[in-house]
Amino acid sequence: KQEVTQIPAALSVPEGENLVLNCSFTDSAIYNLQWFRQDPGKGLTSLLLIQSSQREQTSGRLNASLDKSSGRSTLYIAASQPGDSATYLCAVSKWDNAGNMLTFGGGTRLMVKP
Amino acid sequence: GAGVSQSPRYKVAKRGQDVALRCDPISGHVSLFWYQQALGQGPEFLTYFQNEAQLDKSGLPSDRFFAERPEGSVSTLKIQRTQQEDSAVYLCASSLAPGGGAKNIQYFGAGTRLSVL
Repeated sequence: KQEVTQIPAALSVPEGENLVLNCSFTDSAIYNLQWFRQDPGKGLTSLLLIQSSQREQTSGRLNASLDKSSGRSTLYIAASQPGDSATYLCAVSKWDNAGNMLTFGGGTRLMVKP
Repeated sequence: GAGVSQSPRYKVAKRGQDVALRCDPISGHVSLFWYQQALGQGPEFLTYFQNEAQLDKSGLPSDRFFAERPEGSVSTLKIQRTQQEDSAVYLCASSLAPGGGAKNIQYFGAGTRLSVL
């Protein structure tokens, strides 16, 4: 059974810092990996999706890398801002005929202080 | 609609009561997923539909949980005889197609927060 772990569980940083969130998974036979953002009381917003054949994806100040063989992904946030405060979730999917359901980590709760 | 819509946003139920949670996916999306998110944890998969067919229900925690999508659009998650451990946020997600690449990005609704007293 796939297990996804995120470290750290919580993180508080001053505004402007560059930071790295970590995600590890136990089964390397994944179809893709996604990073999501979740704000309190709201649904999940997809930030980046990395296909299993890719090594990284970038969007603005966000960069996500994937090392499938070692079962690791990192989300790098440059020049953090208070508006980045949220919970960040990584999730992996394994394609089969029944669809591509996601297995999530427990999340990293990020607070960026002004 | 522009996004995935879920109703109600909040539901308080007495233990033993039946509840029904509704999900309106993005128009034209083939795939629909239900997830359960306990407080402070990541979402966990419950069930998956491709059009009206329920192809995977391996995540449903007990036979008190039932989901349907009769017309291949709106879906309902029903929980019978609710228990306190059912308290959680129930998230619905849809994706355009059960295929690869950008087509299988899942778009999530805001969820229904269920509290069982």
